[in-house]
Amino acid sequence: NAGVTQTPKFQVLKTGQSMTLQCAQDMNHEYMSWYRQDPGMGLRLIHYSVGAGITDQGEVPNGYNVSRSTTEDFPLRLLSAAPSQTSVYFCASSYDGTQETQYFGPGTRLLVL
Amino acid sequence: AQSVTQLGSHVSVSEGALVLLRCNYSSSVPPYLFWYVQYPNQGLQLLLKYTSAATLVKGINGFEAEFKKSETSFHLTKPSAHMSDAAEYFCAVSERNQAGTALIFGKGTTLSVSS
Repeated sequence: NAGVTQTPKFQVLKTGQSMTLQCAQDMNHEYMSWYRQDPGMGLRLIHYSVGAGITDQGEVPNGYNVSRSTTEDFPLRLLSAAPSQTSVYFCASSYDGTQETQYFGPGTRLLVL
Repeated sequence: AQSVTQLGSHVSVSEGALVLLRCNYSSSVPPYLFWYVQYPNQGLQLLLKYTSAATLVKGINGFEAEFKKSETSFHLTKPSAHMSDAAEYFCAVSERNQAGTALIFGKGTTLSVSS
């Protein structure tokens, strides 16, 4: 199993550009989520999904969009990038989001100029 | 809403010394609690988790944590630090809401180990 994979590993954007961060898992997990990590802030939940076709907002959803058309994939879209979205983004998945272990991808480092 | 507080953003110990990383949570219902570790430029890896079974939980790499309901704490310990333990550690609590569940993280504690 590849586990949780994320692409790209690193991306530079200009303010106003859009892009999609890809996340895929091959463990047949129903629960997937996106976090952003900023220095001194820990990880903050952006969006999550409890299954195909079901998504919900987390703590910091503004400026991001998600959809879940398959169990395997959970892309994160930045509609119009802003410097405040410079961060490291982690995707995670688990069989159940409550007490099961969440498996994290290696992260995408995003710089918005 | 549930929350997690990690006391001390940076902890320094000598190799062989006791490691103690503090975590307190707030919850109106019995929580599920987790400790994750992040090595430089990597994703997060589960160290251990508490899911309402034994209050003393043993994890990987010699770490353990004790759930104390009366103190709303879930501190992480290791009897003897190793250089390879240098990393950032995150405590997290699981929260169930209407549409599903969410993992709420503390702000992290960076552990430095000196020889």
